[in-house]
Amino acid sequence: GAGVSQSPSNKVTEKGKDVELRCDPISGHTALYWYRQSLGQGLEFLIYFQGNSAPDKSGLPSDRFSAERTGGSVSTLTIQRTQQEDSAVYLCASRTRQGASTDTQYFGPGTRLTVL
Amino acid sequence: DQQVKQNSPSLSVQEGRISILNCDYTNSMFDYFLWYKKYPAEGPTFLISISSIKDKNEDGRFTVFLNKSAKHLSLHIVPSQPGDSAVYFCAASAYSGGSNYKLTFGKGTLLTVNP
Repeated sequence: GAGVSQSPSNKVTEKGKDVELRCDPISGHTALYWYRQSLGQGLEFLIYFQGNSAPDKSGLPSDRFSAERTGGSVSTLTIQRTQQEDSAVYLCASRTRQGASTDTQYFGPGTRLTVL
Repeated sequence: DQQVKQNSPSLSVQEGRISILNCDYTNSMFDYFLWYKKYPAEGPTFLISISSIKDKNEDGRFTVFLNKSAKHLSLHIVPSQPGDSAVYFCAASAYSGGSNYKLTFGKGTLLTVNP
């Protein structure tokens, strides 16, 4: 079966431009997470979606970052006025809503964002 | 404040020997722990997990040990194979309301298994 997919796989942009990163979760997975991994760091939580709503946005680093999810499926992470410190690998994960901590999150391959 | 720590950035072992990867955590609210494996240019892949009510979980060549009193867990790989060479991330989960079980990750350990 298809796993989590993300696009683009690589994105190079100039400082100050806006970028959109896309995540297509596993079919039927209602929970979706965005993380990012900066150079030499672990994965850092950004935002959590349950269905189309985002009850936890506590990891978004600034108001330049926003995300939405439509139809309980595809999610888009938007970064406005990109800065060099936004350069990182952005990872999306999805899981079924079983309501248990033992539910496994399945990750996509990530989008490597480079801000020049 | 790093809540999940992997103090060894890298580890090198010979094929056939045991690999031991360590992880420490500080948040006593964590109740579920996972290990993910990551190859270059790929997303992390779930490897093995353990609930806080257990102290050991085994899956083939992989065993995870949890010492709650020490807030320490370890991943043992026996025997190690060259294909195990990857970055291993320790992650911990705590209930955050609703159905939110966001993961907190360590920085990873690069394991190299030499033939």
